Amino acid sequence: SQQGEEDPQALSIQEGENATMNCSYKTSINNLQWYRQNSGRGLVHLILIRSNEREKHSGRLRVTLDTSKKSSSLLITASRAADTASYFCATDAYGNNRLAFGKGNQVVVIP
Amino acid sequence: NAGVMQNPRHLVRRRGQEARLRCSPMKGHSHVYWYRQLPEEGLKFMVYLQKENIIDESGMPKERFSAEFPKEGPSILRIQQVVRGDSAAYFCASHRTDTQYFGPGTRLTVL
Repeated sequence: SQQGEEDPQALSIQEGENATMNCSYKTSINNLQWYRQNSGRGLVHLILIRSNEREKHSGRLRVTLDTSKKSSSLLITASRAADTASYFCATDAYGNNRLAFGKGNQVVVIP
Repeated sequence: NAGVMQNPRHLVRRRGQEARLRCSPMKGHSHVYWYRQLPEEGLKFMVYLQKENIIDESGMPKERFSAEFPKEGPSILRIQQVVRGDSAAYFCASHRTDTQYFGPGTRLTVL
């Protein structure tokens, strides 16, 4: 089964800087989603990008998808301390909502 | 609007005991997904259910694990004769269109 893989795994930045993280996957997908997880909590859906889309924005988030390279990136602009969390990409291969998650990126935003 | 609810939030069991994890999807949602998250890992799909029906259980271990979603009441993930390797966070999710909404998780510790 396919699996998202994020890179880098850990990122420490100053408040106000941008944070970029990448995700690669192995097989074709219907859509790719990014989630945030605060320590010890559940996952919060951030953004979904479909296989026929190349870029999507939501507030301070920008997601790109390159299906030829089977990769996606998540950019958080003007980071805040509250953005400190783990970020996971998840792929949906068949549009059946069965998600395959990567191992996650730990992002620490230093005030 | 109540979100996805899970209980208990924390569960401690001794080896050989049974663990029962409960999940109530968001109001109006009739599909539930269960995922397991091992420490420092992403979520792994376990099972997908709708009311009174298992749609996809391809991620469930073959032994000791079972899931149900009765017509009335919450979905139950049941782990019999728990072992230390079952220690993990177990999340359930329900979905609307392509977006999955996750519960806060149940953290199972097997002593």
